[in-house]
Formats: sequence, C-alpha cells, structure tokens
Amino acid sequence: AQSVTQPDIHITVSEGASLELRCNYSYGATPYLFWYVQSPGQGLQLLLKYFSGDTLVQGIKGFEAEFKRSQSSFNLRKPSVHWSDAAEYFCAVGALSFGNEKLTFGTGTRLTIIP
Amino acid sequence: GAVVSQHPSRVICKSGTSVKIECRSLDFQATTMFWYRQFPKQSLMLMATSNEGSKATYEQGVEKDKFLINHASLTLSTLTVTSAHPEDSSFYICSAAWGHNQPQHFGDGTRLSIL
Repeated sequence: AQSVTQPDIHITVSEGASLELRCNYSYGATPYLFWYVQSPGQGLQLLLKYFSGDTLVQGIKGFEAEFKRSQSSFNLRKPSVHWSDAAEYFCAVGALSFGNEKLTFGTGTRLTIIP
Repeated sequence: GAVVSQHPSRVICKSGTSVKIECRSLDFQATTMFWYRQFPKQSLMLMATSNEGSKATYEQGVEKDKFLINHASLTLSTLTVTSAHPEDSSFYICSAAWGHNQPQHFGDGTRLSIL
C-alpha cells in the first residue's frame, strides 16, 4: 500500500524568504504525486501534480516541486513566500484501485508566515 | 474551471438526525466522486469512492449503512449520515474527477456538528 510522509508538522518562515516543504512517499510503481493547499475551514486546492515526464513541475501561485525517484521525494518549493501563503499543505500520492485513482494524503504541514 | 460545490457548508443538529450533504461538479462531468473525512488538525481519510450509476466502494472500517452514498448523475453525489451521533462530528469533504489520470478537485467541505 502507498503512504506519504510529511516530516514537518509546522514551519514558520518570514515573508519574502524561500520555502521548502518536504514530502516522501512509498509506492511500488511510478507514482502520481500531488500537492494541495487548504485554508482554514475550506476544501483543498490543487497546487501542482506530477504524472510523468519532466521531474520539475510548475504549479500555481509560484510553487514548484521536484520529483526525485532515488530519494522517493516530491518536495514543494517557492522562492519568495507571501503572507497569503499561510495555510496547511498536503502532499498526496495517487494509485489506481479498481479503476479509480485513490489519493493517500500525508499528515500535512502548517505554514505560518511572519512579517 | 473544475469547480466543485459542496452544500451545506455547516450543519448543527441533534443526535439521531440524518444529515444529507451534496457534492456537485459545476462545470464538468465527474465520472468519479470521493468522500473524505477530516478530524481537527489531521489529514484527510478516504471514506468511499463512487462512480456514476454504480454502488460506492467503501474503505475498510467505514460503515456503509451509516454513511449512505448516492451518485445518481455525472454532476451530483450525496452523502447521508444516518442517525448521526456526536462521534460523527467532523469535517466532510468531497472531490470529483473526470477520468483517469485527472486530478481530483475538492469542494469546500461541510462542518458537521452533532449535539
């Protein structure tokens, strides 16, 4: 079965600083990988996804992520964070099950931005 | 594009009441819809997967008689929490996808509080 680990429960960065959120996955085949962001009391918004091809994936809001098969990682990065980036971030791995793609989520990383 | 609407956003009701939550894909046809449950400060746990016109597939440990799922059309799925009790209080989120290799798009969630 697939699994996702987000080692950092909470990260605090200054506005304008760079950001990297870690994600490690476990899956027996080539994974489908996703990063979602959740604001308090709301659903999830897709930031970016990796299915195949270029291992550096560009997403919305200036985010990018790099798939590294050798490290089983899919870390999320942003060169300069904005106060509006404060939210909960979830990494997820997708796998086909009975013809449907099921997502397994990590436990999330809460991002706090300080002025 | 890819908007998923979930209604209601918040429900407060007495123990023993049945509660219906709707999930609609507004601008695409969702071949598959997913229902998740999220406890405070935790990740999303998949409850069930539903394909239009067929019975939902429930995850292990989820009571299918307790959580009734109907996916009558390509744009609507409903989750009914039957005879709800305080332990059913949670944040329920739906998502929808329009085919294989397509990411899931999430609704804004429903906060269910059972008194």
